[in-house]
Amino acid sequence: NAGVMQNPRHLVRRRGQEARLRCSPMKGHSHVYWYRQLPEEGLKFMVYLQKENIIDESGMPKERFSAEFPKEGPSILRIQQVVRGDSAAYFCASSQQRGTADTQYFGPGTRLTVL
Amino acid sequence: QQQVKQSPQSLIVQKGGIPIINCAYENTAFDYFPWYQQFPGKGPALLIAIRPDVSEKKEGRFTISFNKSAKQFSLHIMDSQPGDSATYFCAATTGNQFYFGTGTSLTVIP
Repeated sequence: NAGVMQNPRHLVRRRGQEARLRCSPMKGHSHVYWYRQLPEEGLKFMVYLQKENIIDESGMPKERFSAEFPKEGPSILRIQQVVRGDSAAYFCASSQQRGTADTQYFGPGTRLTVL
Repeated sequence: QQQVKQSPQSLIVQKGGIPIINCAYENTAFDYFPWYQQFPGKGPALLIAIRPDVSEKKEGRFTISFNKSAKQFSLHIMDSQPGDSATYFCAATTGNQFYFGTGTSLTVIP
């Protein structure tokens, strides 16, 4: 049973370009979460999605960032017009069901570097 | 505002020692408290988790102690090994969101 998959593992972009990060949840999981981790810091929640729906995007910057989880295919975190401050590790997690005591399983992350 | 406060930021112990990592929270609605272990370049991996109706949970060398009245919980690693050297995150959750502590970098010296 494959775990959470993320690609690319490393992504380099120049300022002003777009970054697309992909996440395939574990088989049977329909809930996806995106987190950002800056060096020497913890994980910061960005957005929670179910298939075709954004449930909670309270942690996501209002501009340049968007996320989707289509009916078919992986979840996508899109960052438009990247800036140096967007350089971070972005982790995706998935869970089987919503709510308490349901563990989130993390992918290996995408490390974004903005030149 | 940090929902979950974790300490210490870093910890160095000798092999065989018992490192203890502490977390505190304010929101009494939290009802699930997992710990994650993260190695460099990897994603966090679930280590052990506890619910507030239990005061202690043990899995192998890892033990969570939970004090509901104090709103604190801690991770103990028995007989620590160099392979335990990693960053450890506590978390608390209710509903949709997980709130993570800032992490503790543990180094176990052979």
